[in-house]
Amino acid sequence: DAKTTQPTSMDCAEGRAANLPCNHSTISGNEYVYWYRQIHSQGPQYIIHGLKNNETNEMASLIITEDRKSSTLILPHATLRDTAVYYCIVNTDKLIFGTGTRLQVFP
Amino acid sequence: GAVVSQHPSRVICKSGTSVKIECRSLDFQATTMFWYRQFPKKSLMLMATSNEGSKATYEQGVEKDKFLINHASLTLSTLTVTSAHPEDSSFYICSARDMGLSFRGFFGPGTRLTVL
Repeated sequence: DAKTTQPTSMDCAEGRAANLPCNHSTISGNEYVYWYRQIHSQGPQYIIHGLKNNETNEMASLIITEDRKSSTLILPHATLRDTAVYYCIVNTDKLIFGTGTRLQVFP
Repeated sequence: GAVVSQHPSRVICKSGTSVKIECRSLDFQATTMFWYRQFPKKSLMLMATSNEGSKATYEQGVEKDKFLINHASLTLSTLTVTSAHPEDSSFYICSARDMGLSFRGFFGPGTRLTVL
């Protein structure tokens, strides 16, 4: 079973930051937090991952709380092409997908 | 990033026939590959974990005789849907794991199977 809880859907204006939350209160000490997104009818795309430190790459930033029970994915300047379902996954050996958050970026 | 391909991208077959789907890691070696299926407007459901040179491990409720998985090399895994029926129509997606420190997976583009 998925170990994460995410809001079902979110909206974001183009050019604004999109902040997608994820709760993973049962995370274990050696489990990473992964974020993927899936654009309609395509395979999931890797975004970012982290263990306990905040991470940033060319796509997004990942903020993990100190107790590691929740995290936030930040898309700093959302574009229409960022409209997708975003999945937060916690695991060590296999990726179990929850229901994800459907992000709609509007003009 | 690492590239994973799937073939075919779409397939339509008659009920009762078998269909083979290939998953390849193009620029890295993947000792472990994963197979998922996805129904419309639903999330991905893990079907099985495929390890190179050994038998696949199936998730609970997935019929191993129905969905045959072979992982003969470090860059190729195949999923064969045997005696396909309309209820097997779905989007099948594979993932190959980068064996770095974080075990992140890279996904193929998916194969849409339609069984008539």
